[in-house]
Order: sequence, then structure tokens, then C-alpha cells
Amino acid sequence: DAKTTQPPSMDCAEGRAANLPCNHSTISGNEYVYWYRQIHSQGPQYIIHGLKNNETNEMASLIITEDRKSSTLILPHATLRDTAVYYCIVTYGQNFVFGPGTRLSVLP
Amino acid sequence: GAVVSQHPSRVICKSGTSVKIECRSLDFQATTMFWYRQFPKQSLMLMATSNEGSKATYEQGVEKDKFLINHASLTLSTLTVTSAHPEDSSFYICSASRSGQGNSYEQYFGPGTRLTVT
Repeated sequence: DAKTTQPPSMDCAEGRAANLPCNHSTISGNEYVYWYRQIHSQGPQYIIHGLKNNETNEMASLIITEDRKSSTLILPHATLRDTAVYYCIVTYGQNFVFGPGTRLSVLP
Repeated sequence: GAVVSQHPSRVICKSGTSVKIECRSLDFQATTMFWYRQFPKQSLMLMATSNEGSKATYEQGVEKDKFLINHASLTLSTLTVTSAHPEDSSFYICSASRSGQGNSYEQYFGPGTRLTVT
């Protein structure tokens, strides 16, 4: 079973920031938080991952709470192409367990 | 990010025949590759872990004699669905793993293969 809980769906207006939450209250000290997204009928796309510190790359920012029990993926300026299912995965090692994810719809 | 390819992108086969799907890591060597299956409106389910030069490790409930996995090189893994049946129709996705910072790993996924068994 996935170790994470995400809302099943969210809407976001085009051009606004999309903030996608993820709860992982049972995370262990050595487990990483990964975010992937899957656009319809494609393979998942890596977005970002982190352990304790907040991370930022060209796609998104990852904010991890100090107790590491939750995190937020931020897409700073959502576009229509960001409409996808977003998966938050917590794991140590290479075995990824995908939960149902959050279906983000970016609206014009 | 790294690039992983899959071939074919879609295939239709008759019941009872076998189908081979190739997964290639194009720009890095992957000692470990993974095979997932995704049914409509569901999430990805891990089928097996493929290690170069050794036997694959299958998840519970996945028949190893039906889903043959070969990982002959650091850039190629194949999944063969033997004696396919309509219930094997699904979206098959592979991934290749490489180590990241610290003890983290980055998995890069192929575009998927849609198998339809008639």
C-alpha cells in the first residue's frame, strides 16, 4: 500500500500557482519524498524529490514540513499542459508504490 | 531528465499468442529496471524488478512464467507476455533507475505500451 494520502482532485486557474498537498505521517527518517506526474496515456514524468530540505528545480518546488509528515508540491505558474495526475511517493530505495494520486485540472 | 524508450507503443494480438515489449535506457546505464501495469482509471502497479544479469523479482500475484523478463544488458530489458488473453490487455510501462543524491534514486519511465488482446 502507498504510504501517502493525497486529495483525489484539484482545480487551478491557468497562470496561478498550483499547490498540491501530500500527507505521509508514517515516513521514516531515511525515506525520500518523490513527485511524479502522468499525463493521459503517457508514462510518469519525474518532477522533483527531497529528504528534509525544501527543493526547487525548473519544474517545481517541494516544501517539506519540519516534522516531515507532509509536503507540498508547488507549480508556480500553472499552464494547461500541467493538467495531469500527480503522484507523491515516499520510499527508501528503488521500489516505488504508486497511490491514486491527485488529478489536477488547470482551467483557462 | 534521462530518456527511456519503449517499443512498440501499441500492439494488438490474438488470444494465445506472445508479445514482446522492449524497454531501453537511452542515455544512462541502468542496473535495475522495473515493469508496471496500469488498467484504465487505476494507478500503476509494479509487476517485477529486473536486474541486469540476474533473474527478475516478481510481485505477489504476478505469474513469472506468463510474464517473462530478460535484462540482458545495462540498457535493455524485455517483457514477453506469453499466451496472452484478453484480461492481459493493459498499459505496460517500464522504468530505469539511477542513483541520485545521497541514498535517493530517480526512476525514469518509458512512454508505455498499450496491449490489446483480441
